[in-house]
Amino acid sequence: NAGVTQTPKFQVLKTGQSMTLQCAQDMNHEYMSWYRQDPGMGLRLIHYSVGAGITDQGEVPNGYNVSRSTTEDFPLRLLSAAPSQTSVYFCASRTTGELYGYTFGSGTRLTVV
Amino acid sequence: EDKVVQSPLSLVVHEGDTVTLNCSYEVTNFRSLLWYKQEKKAPTFLFMLTSSGIEKKSGRLSSILDKKELFSILNITATQTGDSAIYLCAVAYLLTGNQFYFGTGTSLTVIP
Repeated sequence: NAGVTQTPKFQVLKTGQSMTLQCAQDMNHEYMSWYRQDPGMGLRLIHYSVGAGITDQGEVPNGYNVSRSTTEDFPLRLLSAAPSQTSVYFCASRTTGELYGYTFGSGTRLTVV
Repeated sequence: EDKVVQSPLSLVVHEGDTVTLNCSYEVTNFRSLLWYKQEKKAPTFLFMLTSSGIEKKSGRLSSILDKKELFSILNITATQTGDSAIYLCAVAYLLTGNQFYFGTGTSLTVIP
């Protein structure tokens, strides 16, 4: 089982560039989320999805878009990168039911210069 | 404003010591509290707590929740260097229990 796979692991962007962070899971999980982790801030929710075709905003959605065309994939798009988006991004998934925590991907370290 | 606060922020102990990590929360529509261990990369799930006073245990790690006083503790006994990590506390909210507020974590360093 691959679990949650994120690509790329590292990325450097110039201000104003756009890119897509990929996330795929092979566990048939309904719920998927994107978090960013910054020093002293903990993990903060960007966007989440409760199933294919359904997405919603989290705590810090500005500057990011998501879509969920399949159960497996949940890409995160940065529309016009800014230095404030320099962070480590984690994708996570879980099954339904309240008794389960998230399984996290290994993260993408993004630097915007 | 909902919040999850962990203490201490960092901790350095010697192998064999016992440590207690704290997590307090003020979260509307509390559903459950989770502990994660984060080493170099992704957080890995340790425990989920939903009921007060019931200890969850896994090897040298144990955790308990107090829903009246709004906190949880994570105990690690006989610490080993492999326990060095950031320990994250997360609180699930909303009726679906789908989303989580995370604390900033406690960085634990265990020295030989």
